[in-house]
Amino acid sequence: NAGVTQTPKFRILKIGQSMTLQCTQDMNHNYMYWYRQDPGMGLKLIYYSVGAGITDKGEVPNGYNVSRSTTEDFPLRLELAAPSQTSVYFCASSYIRAANQPQHFGDGTRLSIL
Amino acid sequence: AQKITQTQPGMFVQEKEAVTLDCTYDTSDPSYGLFWYKQPSSGEMIFLIYQGSYDQQNATEGRYSLNFQKARKSANLVISASQLGDSAMYFCAMRETFSGGGADGLTFGKGTHLIIQP
Repeated sequence: NAGVTQTPKFRILKIGQSMTLQCTQDMNHNYMYWYRQDPGMGLKLIYYSVGAGITDKGEVPNGYNVSRSTTEDFPLRLELAAPSQTSVYFCASSYIRAANQPQHFGDGTRLSIL
Repeated sequence: AQKITQTQPGMFVQEKEAVTLDCTYDTSDPSYGLFWYKQPSSGEMIFLIYQGSYDQQNATEGRYSLNFQKARKSANLVISASQLGDSAMYFCAMRETFSGGGADGLTFGKGTHLIIQP
């Protein structure tokens, strides 16, 4: 039971570098999400997708881009890494948009920008 | 206004005691769900329990129960007979069905750091 898989688990970037955080799920979920968690805080929504080819902004989208070419994959791209993007990033998925559907989370990617 | 408020940054509880973690929420959406997640020191987010806005009874899942008081907009998590392995961060979160036409996704509180002492 893989669920939601995120890679890499840890990464250190230099300011101005770019990278892609990978997320894949094998539950055939339509909805996928990216969150960030800053130290001592709850998670904040960056982007989400309701299906292949459809993405939309969440609460904190600046500095990030996403794409959704397949149901399974939802990568998050940082184009010009900044220290403010040092955080733990979580990918999540759910079957449908309904209040009673829990989101299933990956184990997170810990990213440091130096 | 904060959509999810958790007023207890940290709690110390003796092993085997019951513990209540507070959560209040704010929404105008008539249909919403409230969730509790556990985040151990290893970092993953573990879903614990769910309560729907139209549910008449409080949710229970093993040692976890949710004290849902809709009029007060509170959804407190109760852990009975606490164990050392319950030490973790606990997050209350809400998902609104309509979100005023805005973004889907969970809105999280800042969390409560629970430490169970032997």
